Amino acid sequence: NAGVTQTPKFQVLKTGQSMTLQCAQDMNHEYMSWYRQDPGMGLRLIHYSVGAGITDQGEVPNGYNVSRSTTEDFPLRLLSAAPSQTSVYFCASSFPTGGHETQYFGPGTRLLVL
Amino acid sequence: KQEVTQIPAALSVPEGENLVLNCSFTDSAIYNLQWFRQDPGKGLTSLLLIQSSQREQTSGRLNASLDKSSGRSTLYIAASQPGDSATYLCAVRMNTGANSKLTFGKGITLSVRP
Repeated sequence: NAGVTQTPKFQVLKTGQSMTLQCAQDMNHEYMSWYRQDPGMGLRLIHYSVGAGITDQGEVPNGYNVSRSTTEDFPLRLLSAAPSQTSVYFCASSFPTGGHETQYFGPGTRLLVL
Repeated sequence: KQEVTQIPAALSVPEGENLVLNCSFTDSAIYNLQWFRQDPGKGLTSLLLIQSSQREQTSGRLNASLDKSSGRSTLYIAASQPGDSATYLCAVRMNTGANSKLTFGKGITLSVRP
């Protein structure tokens, strides 16, 4: 298994540009989520999904959209990039098996918005 | 609102020392608690997961304990090695099912000196 994969690894955007961060997992996990990690702020939940066709907002959803058309993929869209969205973005997935919901993380996407 | 605190933010110890990393949370009604390791520029790797009904979990030189009533967890690392240098994060899950979310602490950056 490849686990959780994210592309791109690094991206530079100009203010106002849009882009999609890709996330895929091959473990047939139901739960997928997006976090951003900022110095001094820790990891904050942006959006999450409990299955194909179902998404919900996390702690900091403004400026981001998600969709979940398949179990495997959970892309994160930045509608109009702002410097405040400069961060490291992590995608994660998990599958509840008898309550042992170990969370698996991707390697991250580093985003710089100028 | 659940808050997770990890103090101190950084710790430096000599090689071979046994050490304890602390994690506290404000709402004791958790479903489980998970400890992660993050190496610089990398994603998070799950180390140990403790269900709310459990008191501790062990993996190799790592032992995690949970005292739900007092809102505390500790990660014990035996005979520390330079390769243990990383940031250690704890995260709690409040419930399972449709609203399953993780709340993270900000992490403790550990440096093990040779």
